[in-house]
Amino acid sequence: EVQLLESGGGLGQPGGSLRLSCRASGFTFIDYAMSWVRRAPGKGLEWVSSIGSYGDNTHYADSVKGRFTISRDNSNKMVYLQMNSLRAEDTATYYCAKVVSRYCNSMTCYFDQWGQGTLVTVSS
Amino acid sequence: SYELTQPPSVSVSPGQTARITCSGDALPKQYTYWYQQKPGQAPVLLIYKDTERPSGIPERFSGSSSGTTVTLTISGVQAEDEADYFCQSADSSPTPVFGGGTNLAVL
Repeated sequence: EVQLLESGGGLGQPGGSLRLSCRASGFTFIDYAMSWVRRAPGKGLEWVSSIGSYGDNTHYADSVKGRFTISRDNSNKMVYLQMNSLRAEDTATYYCAKVVSRYCNSMTCYFDQWGQGTLVTVSS
Repeated sequence: SYELTQPPSVSVSPGQTARITCSGDALPKQYTYWYQQKPGQAPVLLIYKDTERPSGIPERFSGSSSGTTVTLTISGVQAEDEADYFCQSADSSPTPVFGGGTNLAVL
């Protein structure tokens, strides 16, 4: 059974940093790209970032580019999202999601498994 | 990047058919995917590549495509289908794009 377990959410200060983690199990982790997707309160889903299966091929939404960094540790089946220069508009539940292929491309960039999410609140 | 447009809400009575549309200029050239999200739960993939259904998804969920509009059809709607539904596509960047979401109310 595929499981994705996020952690690291909580209260962050504007301008501050948080690091989200996602532990994966139940599938061959190195064979799949991974993504982070968020949902702000009262809003819809927003893709945040993706990373290829070997840790290359990273992509970011314009709203987080230059502030967030995605990475992965294939040995420990972990994905991370380093969030710097936090803003109030980053407040959301962040989901770790499994991509259906090694790389996110225009034909395969969709998500067949999701974690339960971790809530990030940015407020002073 | 481009936009996907969904109606904010759709209402249907139990047993009827619900149709949720998603419109976007790039849809004739890209596949569309559909997700269901219930309150407090993770999204679930319902439809991939416009019309394909993952294993475990009930047959009452189906997808279709015509020009710049794709449609998620839920036949014989049940109370448990009350949820938010999101369409998604991806451009050549690749940048996954989600529609704004449609809240399905089962009255």
